Amino acid sequence: QVQLVQSGAEVKRPGASVKVSCKASGYTFIGYFIHWVRQAPGQGLDWMGWINPNTGGTHFAAKFQGGVTLTSDTSISTVYMELNRLRPDDTAVYFCAREARATVANFDYWGQGTLVTVSS
Amino acid sequence: QSALTQPPSASGSPGQSVTLSCTGATSAYVSWYQQHPGKAPKLIIYEVSERPSGVPDRFSGSKSGNTASLTVSALQADDEADYYCSSYAGSTTLFGGGTKLTVL
Repeated sequence: QVQLVQSGAEVKRPGASVKVSCKASGYTFIGYFIHWVRQAPGQGLDWMGWINPNTGGTHFAAKFQGGVTLTSDTSISTVYMELNRLRPDDTAVYFCAREARATVANFDYWGQGTLVTVSS
Repeated sequence: QSALTQPPSASGSPGQSVTLSCTGATSAYVSWYQQHPGKAPKLIIYEVSERPSGVPDRFSGSKSGNTASLTVSALQADDEADYYCSSYAGSTTLFGGGTKLTVL
């Protein structure tokens, strides 16, 4: 069955970086885009961007341009999201999600989420 | 891009129907997600009105002009959750602010 399993919770200082992983299984990894969505405590969903695991191509929401890096390692079916220059308002749960084939912006499977806490 | 606007809350009694709105949805690629506390979102509607397999037909979607709607019929206690609409916006995805559905 399709699964996206994310790495565990992180606590970081302001100014640091964090790298969250999302390991895919149960499907052809290179055939589906992976998107990242964050959710601040008590807030709604905020779309960050996507990566094409096959080509490494990426696209980001304007607010995340320059502050987020998405990479993929096809040998282990894993996508990484690195967030740089962390600020306290980056504290959130970060989700990876698979975009379904033959459609757009339709996220059919999600990771369990990774809580990133930024605090001094 | 334009924002998607959802009412912050809605409620209904068990067995009733409730309709949630999402204004600003200009695309044909509108999805709805259900999120229970502490859980990942779950896709319940895509492309305005299509249901993924396994989603009960009590959930239905529609769109009129720039307003998309999600109707939940025959409300059950487990339908109490946050519901988010999303819309494709040219290589990006917008999410609405979410509606908290309370089953009275």
